[in-house]
Amino acid sequence: DQQVKQNSPSLSVQEGRISILNCDYTNSMFDYFLWYKKYPAEGPTFLISISSIKDKNEDGRFTVFLNKSAKHLSLHIVPSQPGDSAVYFCAASGGTALIFGKGTTLSVSS
Amino acid sequence: NAGVTQTPKFRILKIGQSMTLQCTQDMNHNYMYWYRQDPGMGLKLIYYSVGAGITDKGEVPNGYNVSRSTTEDFPLRLELAAPSQTSVYFCASSYSSERGQPQHFGDGTRLSIL
Repeated sequence: DQQVKQNSPSLSVQEGRISILNCDYTNSMFDYFLWYKKYPAEGPTFLISISSIKDKNEDGRFTVFLNKSAKHLSLHIVPSQPGDSAVYFCAASGGTALIFGKGTTLSVSS
Repeated sequence: NAGVTQTPKFRILKIGQSMTLQCTQDMNHNYMYWYRQDPGMGLKLIYYSVGAGITDKGEVPNGYNVSRSTTEDFPLRLELAAPSQTSVYFCASSYSSERGQPQHFGDGTRLSIL
């Protein structure tokens, strides 16, 4: 049973607009959440994280929001750029291991 | 600025063959991990190591073995390759297992077993 779910396999956005990627989780014991970005033929690259004691973390164009009561987090990218086109993985920290979602492919068109 | 280096990048094996996927990191990280990613799926942890000489199983360890003789290297061994092991394998490292500590990934080894 998936503990971290990314229910949208893909998202298409125009350059300059906002991209919102969503992630749901089932285990209330997760206390850290991370977003990774992955280009084809490369490994995942860390993007941004958030502790469960916070509801927002911002880094430049990237903001992650956490709603603990709904067990939901989202990654906002504003403004979106063509170079943001990649697969985005949500991951939850469950002890030593990271539990990954299946990923969402973001396509940003110019 | 090598980070985490994996070799080979691609490999085709026949059923029953064995091979070792190499992983080395130059960041002096204590923690190292092996994940596999099947098509359309997230990454799943195979094995991890918290330091030289110490390894432990992850979510999907069957059919694999690991060793950690040095801080830098964490090879993954497939003894009897099976078609179900066709996947992309990623090695990662982190300074610690502290909550939220990001893991740094290599570029992966794409393995096909025919």
